[in-house]
Amino acid sequence: TQLLEQSPQFLSIQEGENLTVYCNSSSVFSSLQWYRQEPGEGPVLLVTVVTGGEVKKLKRLTFQFGDARKDSSLHITAAQPGDTGLYLCAGADSNYQLIWGAGTKLIIKP
Amino acid sequence: NAGVTQTPKFQVLKTGQSMTLQCAQDMNHEYMSWYRQDPGMGLRLIHYSVGAGITDQGEVPNGYNVSRSTTEDFPLRLLSAAPSQTSVYFCASSYSGGREFYEQYFGPGTRLTVT
Repeated sequence: TQLLEQSPQFLSIQEGENLTVYCNSSSVFSSLQWYRQEPGEGPVLLVTVVTGGEVKKLKRLTFQFGDARKDSSLHITAAQPGDTGLYLCAGADSNYQLIWGAGTKLIIKP
Repeated sequence: NAGVTQTPKFQVLKTGQSMTLQCAQDMNHEYMSWYRQDPGMGLRLIHYSVGAGITDQGEVPNGYNVSRSTTEDFPLRLLSAAPSQTSVYFCASSYSGGREFYEQYFGPGTRLTVT
């Protein structure tokens, strides 16, 4: 059974701080995606990373795919209350299935 | 474009009742899927469809049926509701080719409670 472990499960920090969320697996993925979900809404795709070692930036968010394509990280610089939400990672396996992490619940306090 | 729409937003059922959760998309996506989301467990795939007339089971299909008569619609039927089916249900769609296959567009969800 393929697993995608996210850490931490929960993070509460003050506005302006930096943070990193991790997504780890023992399996290799052809691509990995990050989604953000706000309360009462469905997940919304933030980014897809495909190449080992790839780094993508989305304003204050930096996404990195591990060299071996087994792990990924999301770093947020100078977090803002608008960043609050559930962050989900999902890896695409060789059978065209998405393997989902359980999510990191992020709260940014003003 | 409305994207992916789901109805109802909330539903309460009694054990043993049946109902259909509706899902529609207007993006001409071939791939559609249903997930359930439970606290601490992430998203679990119930059923999916790669095109009209084609459906297949996901990770947790028991107690649910689907059909895909058109590209736009993908309803999920609960045959005989059980308390274990209390969850938030999401419908998603995507293009069927290439890397875009994995980039899912989600509906707003249906929060279902079975008593």
